[in-house]
Amino acid sequence: HLVQSGGGLVKPGGSLRLSCVASGFSFSDYYMSWIRQSPGQGLEWISYISHSSSTIYYADSVKGRFTISRDNAANSLFLQLNSLRANDTAVYYCARNRDSLDLWGQGTMVTVSS
Amino acid sequence: DIQMTQSPSSLSAFVGDRVTITCQASQDISTNLNWYQQKSGKAPSLLISDASKLDIGVPSRVSGNGSGTDFAFTITSLQPEDFATYFCQHYHNRPNTFGQGTKLEIK
Repeated sequence: HLVQSGGGLVKPGGSLRLSCVASGFSFSDYYMSWIRQSPGQGLEWISYISHSSSTIYYADSVKGRFTISRDNAANSLFLQLNSLRANDTAVYYCARNRDSLDLWGQGTMVTVSS
Repeated sequence: DIQMTQSPSSLSAFVGDRVTITCQASQDISTNLNWYQQKSGKAPSLLISDASKLDIGVPSRVSGNGSGTDFAFTITSLQPEDFATYFCQHYHNRPNTFGQGTKLEIK
């Protein structure tokens, strides 16, 4: 089970923090990812983080603006979104990442608009 | 980055039909391919990993095959609950890019 929170309406240049709380599995054993989906569009994988946070990867579209992190003690995954742009408007999903994304959160909407 | 070209982008079919969706990778990805189903307003869910391995609970009317650059996803005898959008995704290297999606609609 992955339950997401955060998101909402923010002005261009603003910031948001998304959270994803895991339950029902050993969170610290898994890589985790964030994926987003712009309205009516396809899926874009944007970031992942290893078990111990030692390996982190970002898509070019968010590199330098978004920061992924995790707190294994709290079974939680985070995505800090800074310098937001209109084209960051999307539903953001967290997902458990093995070779596949086999467990997804419910998604949270981020709208960037003035 | 590896590009995933999925086709068709949309497809209409009757209940009971057999449909096939294809996904082509821009370079050899072995069998490092997943297929997902997404119903309207919901998160995607994993159907197939490693090009052909059905996830737990996925019905046997669903299948996947292929290796290298060319892959196919097939549903035999479509059921009402199969009408959704389907995405392929590779995991050969980072970033794990997705295909553009195929929207399967009832005719």
